[in-house]
Amino acid sequence: NAGVMQNPRHLVRRRGQEARLRCSPMKGHSHVYWYRQLPEEGLKFMVYLQKENIIDESGMPKERFSAEFPKEGPSILRIQQVVRGDSAAYFCASSPSLPAGAYNEQFFGPGTRLTVL
Amino acid sequence: GESVGLHLPTLSVQEGDNSIINCAYSNSASDYFIWYKQESGKGPQFIIDIRSNMDKRQGQRVTVLLNKTVKHLSLQIAATQPGDSAVYFCAEIGGTSYGKLTFGQGTILTVHP
Repeated sequence: NAGVMQNPRHLVRRRGQEARLRCSPMKGHSHVYWYRQLPEEGLKFMVYLQKENIIDESGMPKERFSAEFPKEGPSILRIQQVVRGDSAAYFCASSPSLPAGAYNEQFFGPGTRLTVL
Repeated sequence: GESVGLHLPTLSVQEGDNSIINCAYSNSASDYFIWYKQESGKGPQFIIDIRSNMDKRQGQRVTVLLNKTVKHLSLQIAATQPGDSAVYFCAEIGGTSYGKLTFGQGTILTVHP
């Protein structure tokens, strides 16, 4: 079984450009999570999505960042008008459906390393 | 705000020794605590988890201990191997949201042959 896939693995953008990060969850997983990791720091939660729904976006910056998980295709994390402070590793994780009040292991992808020049 | 943090940022051990990595948490509402291993250039890899109603859980070469009285979590790795060298993160989940992992800062474990 293929794990969580992310592309591109490395992305270089100039200030003001747009960055699009893609995440394909593991087969059979309907929940996707995005995290950001700054150098020498832990991962910070950004957003939790199910197919066509945003469940929790409490970690998303108010401006320039958006995420989607369409009915068909990968989840996309979009960063508009990137700034140098957006340089980080962005990780996607996926999990199967969650029964109410339950926790399921999140499986992480290899990450996309974004560098803003 | 609530957070999960670590006492020691780095740990160096000799191959074959046992390693203990510690973590302090502040959210008493967390239902699960999880340890992840992250190797350079890779995503976090699940090691072991423990539910909040347990004190101890064992896996292959790893043991997680939970002390709710002092809000402390530890990961014990037996017979540490060079392949165990990585950054180890504790994380917590639960309470009102089962979709949001809150990670600690991380401990760098270096195993010397």
